[in-house]
Amino acid sequence: EPEVTQTPSHQVTQMGQEVILRCVPISNHLYFYWYRQILGQKVEFLVSFYNNEISEKSEIFDDQFSVERPDGSNFTLKIRSTKLEDSAMYFCASSESSGTKGEQYFGPGTRLTVT
Amino acid sequence: RKEVEQDPGPFNVPEGATVAFNCTYSNSASQSFFWYRQDCRKEPKLLMSVYSSGNEDGRFTAQLNRASQYISLLIRDSKLSDSATYLCVGTQDNYGQNFVFGPGTRLSVLP
Repeated sequence: EPEVTQTPSHQVTQMGQEVILRCVPISNHLYFYWYRQILGQKVEFLVSFYNNEISEKSEIFDDQFSVERPDGSNFTLKIRSTKLEDSAMYFCASSESSGTKGEQYFGPGTRLTVT
Repeated sequence: RKEVEQDPGPFNVPEGATVAFNCTYSNSASQSFFWYRQDCRKEPKLLMSVYSSGNEDGRFTAQLNRASQYISLLIRDSKLSDSATYLCVGTQDNYGQNFVFGPGTRLSVLP
């Protein structure tokens, strides 16, 4: 069964450093997403991406964040200068379509720890 | 503010019990709804979509009441493996792309 994969599973970085989180969405999916979940809190939407551009982004997704689809398979989230409060689990998701058939499938996540 | 609210839980039930989760949403523009389950420190996994007519998948039944902005999930004959956090999810807008997650309700099924 196809699945979303993410690397690395755990990333530890120092405050102020740049990190890149990688995702490989399900191959025939057209919509891609990043979410984050701070420990003990709910899952929060960051950004959606379709047709090689950002469709929508939340207020969390400020200028420190960027996304890219550098080739036909990878989808990346970059945080330019990490802050302590960026420590969270970051989930990538993909869907075949949007709307009522837009079930999103999540990757296993990258646990980001900023020290 | 576009929120999804759920029963706070936790729910502790014996094996074989029937358990119901409730969820309300504040954004009337939300078009699509889903139930996900999340095991500790794992990713959300799709349980089922929720349709206006209600839908059933084995032991699981989901209902949507748009007039009351209310969603429910019923689990019959609960199993130990049903222990997880159940997340109610709605879309943020008419395009149905961006998910708004509820805080989740934790279920523990006890032997």
